[in-house]
Amino acid sequence: EPEVTQTPSHQVTQMGQEVILRCVPISNHLYFYWYRQILGQKVEFLVSFYNNEISEKSEIFDDQFSVERPDGSNFTLKIRSTKLEDSAMYFCASRDRLTYYNNEQFFGPGTRLTVL
Amino acid sequence: KNEVEQSPQNLTAQEGEFITINCSYSVGISALHWLQQHPGGGIVSLFMLSSGKKKHGRLIATINIQEKHSSLHITASHPRDSAVYICAVPLIIQGAQKLVFGQGTRLTINP
Repeated sequence: EPEVTQTPSHQVTQMGQEVILRCVPISNHLYFYWYRQILGQKVEFLVSFYNNEISEKSEIFDDQFSVERPDGSNFTLKIRSTKLEDSAMYFCASRDRLTYYNNEQFFGPGTRLTVL
Repeated sequence: KNEVEQSPQNLTAQEGEFITINCSYSVGISALHWLQQHPGGGIVSLFMLSSGKKKHGRLIATINIQEKHSSLHITASHPRDSAVYICAVPLIIQGAQKLVFGQGTRLTINP
């Protein structure tokens, strides 16, 4: 069964460093998402991506964040200069386009980012 | 304001008990996700439903679109059902869909 994969599973970095979180969505899916979950809090939306551009982003998704689909299979989230408060679990999700309103998003296993 | 509210926040039960987790939402469209998050943090989609009821094994999800309310039931609960259960509603803004999540219900099933 096709699945969304994410690498690495755990990333530890120093404050101020750049990190790139990688996702491989399900191959025929067209919409891609990043969500994050700070420890003990609820999952929150970061950004959605369609047709090689951002379709919506949250207030959290400031200039330190960027997304890219560099090669048609990977979908990356870059944080340019990490802050302590970026420590969280980051989830990638994808969905297809069959029924726009009600189709399901499929989640990756997450990347746990720890900023020291 | 919380657009998606779950109750209870925490639930502890004995193995074999019938479990109900509730979700009410004030935004979104006519569909709702139920997700399961295990202690390791990964999220698994359980159901997406837009009307009536869906059943998968011992899990049953119901939704009432008019009342903007959904319930997740677990029959004959087992310790391996222990997890955080999250409901999420798709919200469409300017043509883009995003999920709005509830805060989760932490379920613990004791043997």
